[in-house]
Amino acid sequence: EVQLVESGGGLVQPGGSLRLSCAASGFTFSTYWMSWVRQAPGKGLEWVANIKQDGSDKYYVDSVKGRFTISRDNAKNSLYLQMNSLRAEDTAVYYCVRYRGGGFDPWGQGTLVTVSS
Amino acid sequence: QSVLTQPPSASGTPGQRVTISCSGSSSNIGSNTVNWYQQLPGTAPKLLIYSNNQRPSGVPDRFSGSKSGTSASLAISGLQSEDESDYYCAAWDDSLNGWVFGGGTKLTVL
Repeated sequence: EVQLVESGGGLVQPGGSLRLSCAASGFTFSTYWMSWVRQAPGKGLEWVANIKQDGSDKYYVDSVKGRFTISRDNAKNSLYLQMNSLRAEDTAVYYCVRYRGGGFDPWGQGTLVTVSS
Repeated sequence: QSVLTQPPSASGTPGQRVTISCSGSSSNIGSNTVNWYQQLPGTAPKLLIYSNNQRPSGVPDRFSGSKSGTSASLAISGLQSEDESDYYCAAWDDSLNGWVFGGGTKLTVL
């Protein structure tokens, strides 16, 4: 079964840092683009970042450029999101997603990040 | 506001056919394929339609997608109570070099 399991969310103060992890299983992780997508409470979906199979290409939404870094470890079947200089507006559920044949599938269960003092 | 524009709400009665629109521009829908996601209350989104009109295995053929120019549509025929959900469109944007989503449409089955 294809599965994505996020971890690392929690409560952090403004200006703080957090590292999210996503453990992938049930498929050949190293052959897929991977992304992070977030959803603020009661709001819609927002793509955050994606990374190519070998990590050579990365793209970010403007609002996180310079603050967030996406990375992967294909040997560990894991995706990461290092989040620095966190702001209140970064509060959201963060989903790990696989890009397959034209769409994001599947989605993890999400991990909640709350930025508040 | 979202780069892709969807109506915030839609509704229909059981058995009816409803459509949800998604409007974009030449840099996203106009030059790339569209996908649609269904998000049931309290759950993670699920891929519903990819490459404009393709259904992943397991998605009922009551769901269909189409694209014309810079707009796309999701159609749901034979509406059922379990279709009550939020629906999102998405596409790659060549100008932004990133994925963009619509703001989402909340479908109510009356």
